[in-house]
Amino acid sequence: GAVVSQHPSWVICKSGTSVKIECRSLDFQATTMFWYRQFPKQSLMLMATSNEGSKATYEQGVEKDKFLINHASLTLSTLTVTSAHPEDSSFYICSAHTSAGWHEQYFGPGTRLTVT
Amino acid sequence: KQEVTQIPAALSVPEGENLVLNCSFTDSAIYNLQWFRQDPGKGLTSLLLIQSSQREQTSGRLNASLDKSSGRSTLYIAASQPGDSATYLCAVLLYSGAGSYQLTFGKGTKLSVIP
Repeated sequence: GAVVSQHPSWVICKSGTSVKIECRSLDFQATTMFWYRQFPKQSLMLMATSNEGSKATYEQGVEKDKFLINHASLTLSTLTVTSAHPEDSSFYICSAHTSAGWHEQYFGPGTRLTVT
Repeated sequence: KQEVTQIPAALSVPEGENLVLNCSFTDSAIYNLQWFRQDPGKGLTSLLLIQSSQREQTSGRLNASLDKSSGRSTLYIAASQPGDSATYLCAVLLYSGAGSYQLTFGKGTKLSVIP
């Protein structure tokens, strides 16, 4: 099956710094990538949807100036958490969707962010 | 707005039992439905994908059914094993127009299989 990677797998940063998370589709071109966050013992919450070459669409309540998404190519999307705070500590997961085939979504392994 | 509900929230069964996990959704105009497995602290593993035109999919000991008209899907696990212990998530894909799709997740069912 298709493979999506995320980097880094986990990161610890100090409050006020910015963190960039990369999401790559390794063996297919992703027309759309999604970013989710997941708090402990809760389900995934969609943060934003990004299409290659255009601005991301953010879900209600998600600050677009805080969570910067760049979908630079059909295989790479990045999420930058700017001026991170402890409440941003969470598990961030990306998924890639291709319009070919069955429109299946392929998920990355996730990135654990801890802000101290 | 699409809402996805999974029942039960948690389930504990002895090894070897067959079990059923339930998923319901409010908007039946789905494109497809996927079942995922998530182990603690890990990402999602796709188990089965059912297209809206299909009624079931099977993979090994797993069988997923879809009744789009009633907004329901079930995941059947046969002869459960301790290694099946995980959280199982159901998600529906809706086409939201202009080439955009959106996946909505349920909150999951946490399964524990007791040896």
